[in-house]
Amino acid sequence: DGGITQSPKYLFRKEGQNVTLSCEQNLNHDAMYWYRQDPGQGLRLIYYSQIVNDFQKGDIAEGYSVSREKKESFPLTVTSAQKNPTAFYLCASSIKFYTEAFFGQGTRLTVV
Amino acid sequence: DQQVKQNSPSLSVQEGRISILNCDYTNSMFDYFLWYKKYPAEGPTFLISISSIKDKNEDGRFTVFLNKSAKHLSLHIVPSQPGDSAVYFCAASGNNQGGKLIFGQGTELSVKP
Repeated sequence: DGGITQSPKYLFRKEGQNVTLSCEQNLNHDAMYWYRQDPGQGLRLIYYSQIVNDFQKGDIAEGYSVSREKKESFPLTVTSAQKNPTAFYLCASSIKFYTEAFFGQGTRLTVV
Repeated sequence: DQQVKQNSPSLSVQEGRISILNCDYTNSMFDYFLWYKKYPAEGPTFLISISSIKDKNEDGRFTVFLNKSAKHLSLHIVPSQPGDSAVYFCAASGNNQGGKLIFGQGTELSVKP
């Protein structure tokens, strides 16, 4: 059945290492997004993509990178330049831009 | 600059009563509003939305009200059930945002049996 799959659910990283979070959708959605959630804060937009091979920075893109080589996939790399990477990361997709987004189950990243 | 604000971090309601969750926004160009429900360690699930051409949208126990002049929206849940206990996020979007959703900080609803 259709949905958005994020993997892994829990991820541990050593300081100074890059790590890539996976996001796959089989909903045939054009738009995909990455959000970050920290305690007591709302969801903050990291990057978004409206179509394949195109993506834009969100509000907190520093220290992150993405790619959109396939419609179904929108991986997020958390680089060593990200100062506070420990957070809950959420991937979402929508049929097109400016419609309701559907979210994956999230990845909890912890830097140790 | 918080464009979407949920000023109540938490709300406690008795089962069967009405839950009212509030959300304020500052950007008058927002024209599409959504409510999401989120359980711990899970992704948010879409609940209900409203376009700025309406002032009310209803779906079962959930009703969203939009007051454009006050830049305020609210989510009413009637009757409240223990399974409604979760964090509720409001979100807003508009053409000047390029379609991206701007989220509030969330309100944690607890429905007591």
